[in-house]
Amino acid sequence: EERLVESGGRLVHPGGSLRLSCAASGFNFNTYSMNWVRQAPGKGLEWVSYITTTSGTKYYADSVKGRFTVSRDNARNSLFLQMNSLRADDTAVYYCVRDAGLVGTPFDPWGQGTLVIVSA
Amino acid sequence: EIVLTQSPATLSLFPGERATLFCRASQSVGSHLTWYQQKPGQPPRLLIYEASNRATGIPARFSGSGSGTDFTLTISSLEPEDFAVYYCQQRNNWPPLTFGGGTKVEIK
Repeated sequence: EERLVESGGRLVHPGGSLRLSCAASGFNFNTYSMNWVRQAPGKGLEWVSYITTTSGTKYYADSVKGRFTVSRDNARNSLFLQMNSLRADDTAVYYCVRDAGLVGTPFDPWGQGTLVIVSA
Repeated sequence: EIVLTQSPATLSLFPGERATLFCRASQSVGSHLTWYQQKPGQPPRLLIYEASNRATGIPARFSGSGSGTDFTLTISSLEPEDFAVYYCQQRNNWPPLTFGGGTKVEIK
């Protein structure tokens, strides 16, 4: 079974830092590009970041550019999101998501998400 | 940035009825339009990709159509498990990858 499991979410103060992790299993992690998508409480979905298989290309949403850094460790089948200078509007469930490898590269599967709360 | 506008925001229907959801893009996305379903407390699930292709395991009552700027997700006869929020997403002109605001399909 293809599976993504996020961890690292917690309560953090504004201005603080956090590192999210995503453990992949059930597929060849090093052959898929990966993404982070977030969802603020009661709100819609927002794409956050993208990274290619060899980490050669990385993209970010404008809302996180310069503050968040995506990385991966193919030997450990893991994806990471380093989040710095956190703000209240970064509060959300963060999903680790795989490019599905289908035409148009939709997202599939999705992890269950990890909750990040930024509050004083 | 391509903006996706979903309508209606909420759709109130009885089980067994037909649901028609719309997604309009601010500029052409070709056929690179995806639909997801999300139930409370769960991550989104892939339903339809490339505008009209059902993902693995998705029932035939779900269908997608459209190209360019106007897309439709149709659920031919609503089952109890179909009441959820549906999102469209484009990947034609990115970054950024963008999602629509969602349509909630609720039981009438």
